[in-house]
Amino acid sequence: AQTVTQSQPEMSVQEAETVTLSCTYDTSESDYYLFWYKQPPSRQMILVIRQEAYKQQNATENRFSVNFQKAAKSFSLKISDSQLGDAAMYFCAYRVLNDMRFGAGTRLTVKP
Amino acid sequence: NAGVTQTPKFQVLKTGQSMTLQCAQDMNHNSMYWYRQDPGMGLRLIYYSASEGTTDKGEVPNGYNVSRLNKREFSLRLESAAPSQTSVYFCASIGVIYQPQHFGDGTRLSIL
Repeated sequence: AQTVTQSQPEMSVQEAETVTLSCTYDTSESDYYLFWYKQPPSRQMILVIRQEAYKQQNATENRFSVNFQKAAKSFSLKISDSQLGDAAMYFCAYRVLNDMRFGAGTRLTVKP
Repeated sequence: NAGVTQTPKFQVLKTGQSMTLQCAQDMNHNSMYWYRQDPGMGLRLIYYSASEGTTDKGEVPNGYNVSRLNKREFSLRLESAAPSQTSVYFCASIGVIYQPQHFGDGTRLSIL
């Protein structure tokens, strides 16, 4: 079974600084999708960024970017110029067809 | 545009009671999913429906049943609730497989 591991249960960052959240996954598939979701205290699941495994170029969305290392099965999220509103739980997720697996999450605190 | 709507938002049950969680999407999506979220474990897939008329088990299906009533609606039923089913339940949908999932706001279910 595919598994997703987020090795950092908690992280903190100073406002305006950069932070990187780690994610590794285990799979035997070659074609899959990877996602980072943000969950604020409101409980909503908000898509931050996604990456198709067949694309070598790392995805970026404004202040959010990923470092996708397919051979290493690693998918880290970098948040630049951190803002107070970035404070939330962040989940890494992996999907092949209809099978979607989530990591346990990383709680990000942003210090003013 | 409401997206994915879940009802109810909160519910408290006694052990042994039955309950149906409702989910509806207005985006004409083909696939729908039910997840549960427990502390420290991220989201886990309970059941999914790849298209109207089909349902399949996910990672943790025991104790649950589902019905894909039509293209819009996908319900989750607990026939005899157990305290281990205390969780937050999320419904999600996608139109085509490479798109990210759209999530509902979740249902917090407590079983005493």
